[in-house]
Amino acid sequence: AQSVTQPDIHITVSEGASLELRCNYSYGATPYLFWYVQSPGQGLQLLLKYFSGDTLVQGIKGFEAEFKRSQSSFNLRKPSVHWSDAAEYFCAVGARGSTLGRLYFGRGTQLTVWP
Amino acid sequence: GAVVSQHPSRVICKSGTSVKIECRSLDFQATTMFWYRQFPKQSLMLMATSNEGSKATYEQGVEKDKFLINHASLTLSTLTVTSAHPEDSSFYICSALGTVTGELFFGEGSRLTVL
Repeated sequence: AQSVTQPDIHITVSEGASLELRCNYSYGATPYLFWYVQSPGQGLQLLLKYFSGDTLVQGIKGFEAEFKRSQSSFNLRKPSVHWSDAAEYFCAVGARGSTLGRLYFGRGTQLTVWP
Repeated sequence: GAVVSQHPSRVICKSGTSVKIECRSLDFQATTMFWYRQFPKQSLMLMATSNEGSKATYEQGVEKDKFLINHASLTLSTLTVTSAHPEDSSFYICSALGTVTGELFFGEGSRLTVL
């Protein structure tokens, strides 16, 4: 069965600092990989996704993520965090060969940004 | 603007009653929709895959008779929580997979509180 681990429950960074949110997955083959952001009381917004090809994926809002097969990781990065980036971030996987959109999520990482 | 709309966004009901939550795709058709449940400070848990015109596929451990899903049209799926109890209180989120584009969009969620 697929599983997604986000080891950091809560991260605090200063505005302008760099950010890396960790995500590890457990799956027999390379799954589809996603990062979503959720603001309080809101639905999820897709930041970026990896299906195949270049392992460094660019997303919206200046985010990027790198797929590392050897480490089963898909960490999210941003070189300079803005106060508006404060939110909950979810890593998700989807199984190849399964219904596209059937996703399994990590527990999330809450990002706090200090001014 | 939102491309997937959930209604109601908040609902409070008495224990023992049934509650229906709607998920609509706006301006696109979605053969497949998904229902998730999110507990406070926790991840999204996939409950079921809803296919237009056929029975929903439930994830292991999800009670089919408790959570009734109907996907009667290409733009509407409904989740009915039957005989709701306080432990059913949660944030329910749907997503819709565009039939043509293959893009996945999430609704803004519906918060259910059962007294």
